[in-house]
Formats: sequence, structure tokens, C-alpha cells
Amino acid sequence: EQQVQQSPASLVLQEGENAELQCSFSIFTNQVQWFYQRPGGRLVSLLYNPSGTKQSGRLTSTTVIKERRSSLHISSSQITDSGTYLCAVGSALGRLHFGAGTQLIVIP
Amino acid sequence: NAGVIQTPRHKVTGKGQEATLWCEPISGHSAVFWYRQTIVQGLEFLTYFRNQAPIDDSGMPKERFSAQMPNQSHSTLKIQSTQPQDSAVYLCASSLDHGYAEQFFGPGTRLTVL
Repeated sequence: EQQVQQSPASLVLQEGENAELQCSFSIFTNQVQWFYQRPGGRLVSLLYNPSGTKQSGRLTSTTVIKERRSSLHISSSQITDSGTYLCAVGSALGRLHFGAGTQLIVIP
Repeated sequence: NAGVIQTPRHKVTGKGQEATLWCEPISGHSAVFWYRQTIVQGLEFLTYFRNQAPIDDSGMPKERFSAQMPNQSHSTLKIQSTQPQDSAVYLCASSLDHGYAEQFFGPGTRLTVL
């Protein structure tokens, strides 16, 4: 069973549109971390958000630990936002459990 | 702060050869993690050190894989008798040593086993 699930699996947006990415998880945690990765690129930490709402530039994450879910909102998408967005959830032992990711494509 | 450093960035080995991958964590971080990424399996946890001590190696294949952290500034992942199915990007991450700390990843080592 996949312990971290992300939706949608893929998303195509026109430049300027907003995106809402969802993450749900089955394990107990106090750690949710969102990452970005381009094909062949490194994992870049976007937001570390164990609870509540956190913002960084055009990115806003909302985590509700009791409901075992987190979301990532991208406002005014840009072509350079294209890539894979990964949700990761930390276990008590320290490791991160990753979702399969949402592939975002932003077109002009 | 150079971030997490991994060397080499790319490694090609022949089937049956040994591969050693290196990781230098962020200075001051005492937790070091190894993960593996493939297209098919996605990101998988391998092993974890805290203050150089092995804490959790439950993700490590039981044979041929070993990891060490001889000092606080580097960790190694060794794969003996490499097989084509070991081909993957091996990622190292580090974090401060407290529960549920943010993890920072290195660029990875792309291992190709021919």
C-alpha cells in the first residue's frame, strides 16, 4: 500500500493559471516536506510545513496533520515551474516516505 | 554553505564490479540519509545515520550493499558485485539532529551498471 499518495498525477496549465497539488498520507507524522525536481535534476526543498500554512513566494502549503493531508498551491504559474513536485512525509524513525509526484507542465 | 556534496556525480561500472559512493553532509548536520531513485520505484529509503551511528538500515538490500559513516564529515555507500538492477540515482540527505527535521538533498550519484 502506498503510504503517501499525490494527486493529480499530472497537470497541464497555461501560463498564469494557478495549481493545487494534493498529498494524503497514512502514516503518523509531524513532518511534511514539498520538493521540486526537474528531469535529471536534484531534489530542491520548496517548503517544510509540519502544520498550518506556510508561504514562500508564489507557493503556499497547507498541512492538516489530523486529517493526514497537505496541499501545495502555486499561483500565477510560469513556464519555469514545469517539473515534478514531490510530497514527502517523515516517520518517527527519521526517514522520509515519498509520494509518486505530480508532473506539472506549464505552456505559453 | 555548499550544501550536501556527493561524488562522483556519475559512475559507470561493469557487472560484478564494486562501486563506492561518497557523501559530505552540511556542516553541523548530524543526521545523514541515503535514498535511491529509479523511474520504476520512485524514491526509496536505504539507510540513516545519526551522530555517525547507524540508526535504521531497513531499506538496504541485505546482500552486497553496505554504508558507513567514519566521521561527521562524510558517509559512504558501497555496492559490491554490482548488478544492472542497481542502476539508479543514489541520493544523500542531511538534517539537524532533532525529531522530524527538514532534510536537504545532494545532487545525487547516477550509477549505471552495464
